[in-house]
Amino acid sequence: SQWGEENLQALSIQEGEDVTMNCSYKTYTTVVQWYRQKSGKGPALIILIRSNEREKRSGRLRATLDTSSQSSSLSITGTLATDTAVYFCATDNYAQGLTFGLGTRVSVFP
Amino acid sequence: GGIITQTPKFLIGQEGQKLTLKCQQNFNHDTMYWYRQDSGKGLRLIYYSITENDLQKGDLSEGYDASREKKSSFSLTVTSAQKNEMAVFLCASGSSAETLYFGSGTRLTVL
Repeated sequence: SQWGEENLQALSIQEGEDVTMNCSYKTYTTVVQWYRQKSGKGPALIILIRSNEREKRSGRLRATLDTSSQSSSLSITGTLATDTAVYFCATDNYAQGLTFGLGTRVSVFP
Repeated sequence: GGIITQTPKFLIGQEGQKLTLKCQQNFNHDTMYWYRQDSGKGLRLIYYSITENDLQKGDLSEGYDASREKKSSFSLTVTSAQKNEMAVFLCASGSSAETLYFGSGTRLTVL
């Protein structure tokens, strides 16, 4: 099965700094989704980038996709304490929904 | 908007016990999923269902049963709880392979 991976990391940053996390996947996907999971909650979609897009922006979020290297990145500019969460990338596996990576834990300190 | 409701939020069981987790969605989505999340790991698919009374096994289905008697509900049964099954179980629904909507999870502790 295809498997998205972010090389499980924990990042601690100060509010206002920018942060970038990466994801690599092993098999073809038509879309890469990034989910954010806050403590005690389920993951929620924050940005989605399709295989025909190289970059997608949404507010302070920027996702990139390089289909040749099968990798995606998520950047958050001007982080806030409320951005503290675990971030997952997910690739589509039509037969079985989405395949999720290990996640990147981001802690933003005021 | 819709909501996914998982019950119970916390579930404590004894080793060897049969335990059932429930999930309800009001999105009117066709497909529902059960994922397991272990500490420090990603989400792994246990079962999914593309319509009422349909069940499909995921990568982690051994030791679990599922039931989809209504479009809006999807339950998961741990057939014999083991200590290494302490994890958070997440239910999700979606109208296609894109964009899953998740509940807040059921945290299972096995004594």
